[in-house]
Amino acid sequence: QQQVKQSPQSLIVQKGGISIINCAYENTAFDYFPWYQQFPGKGPALLIAIRPDVSEKKEGRFTISFNKSAKQFSLHIMDSQPGDSATYFCAASGMTGGFKTIFGAGTRLFVKA
Amino acid sequence: GAGVSQSPRYKVAKRGQDVALRCDPISGHVSLFWYQQALGQGPEFLTYFQNEAQLDKSGLPSDRFFAERPEGSVSTLKIQRTQQEDSAVYLCASSLVVDRPQETQYFGPGTRLLVL
Repeated sequence: QQQVKQSPQSLIVQKGGISIINCAYENTAFDYFPWYQQFPGKGPALLIAIRPDVSEKKEGRFTISFNKSAKQFSLHIMDSQPGDSATYFCAASGMTGGFKTIFGAGTRLFVKA
Repeated sequence: GAGVSQSPRYKVAKRGQDVALRCDPISGHVSLFWYQQALGQGPEFLTYFQNEAQLDKSGLPSDRFFAERPEGSVSTLKIQRTQQEDSAVYLCASSLVVDRPQETQYFGPGTRLLVL
C-alpha cells in the first residue's frame, strides 16, 4: 500500500531526445506527487510536482503526466541535455501518511552528447 | 552558506561503534527530516522534527537509532552499536513551514556512513 514503483532502472537517451520515466503507486490517499533530481554526492532536489486534480503539469522542458484512474504518473524531459544526466526519483505523500514521503527506487539517466 | 549542511560528509566506523551525524538546517527552518538512502535506492524516511519536538519517529529501524534537536535548530542522528546494514547515506532535509513540510523540503548533501 505504501510502495511507489519506478521504471526503468536506467535509461540512455541521445541529446535532444525525450526521456520518459514512469511511476505507479498503490495508496489512493496520496495527494502530492513530486519528482526529485539527484546528482552524485548531492542530496535530492525538487524538480517538479503535481496534485491529482490535474492531468498534466509543465515547467520548461519537464512535464508530469498524471493518470489517477491507473494510479500512474510519468516524467517527460524534452530536448534532453547531457547536463540532465542524473538519478531521478518519483515520490508520493499525503496527509494520512503524516510527514512521510515515499520514494521510488530511482532511474539513472544518461544523456549521450 | 544558504543550504542545509551535514557533517561529517564521510564516516567509517567499525562494527559495534557508536556514531553521531550532524545536520545544520537552513536558518529559520522549523521542520527537519532525516532519511536513510541505501546504495542504489531512494531515500527512506526516518524521523521528523517540528522545532525541538520529534513528531514522527516511525521510520527509525531499531532502538539503536536515536535523533534529537534540543534547541530546535541543529539536529543529531546517533546510531549505537553500528551494524554493516547501517551502511548508507544519511540525508537531512529542512523546511520553513509546518503545514505539509515534506512538500517544501530542501535536502543536504548527506553523510556517507560505511560500517566495516
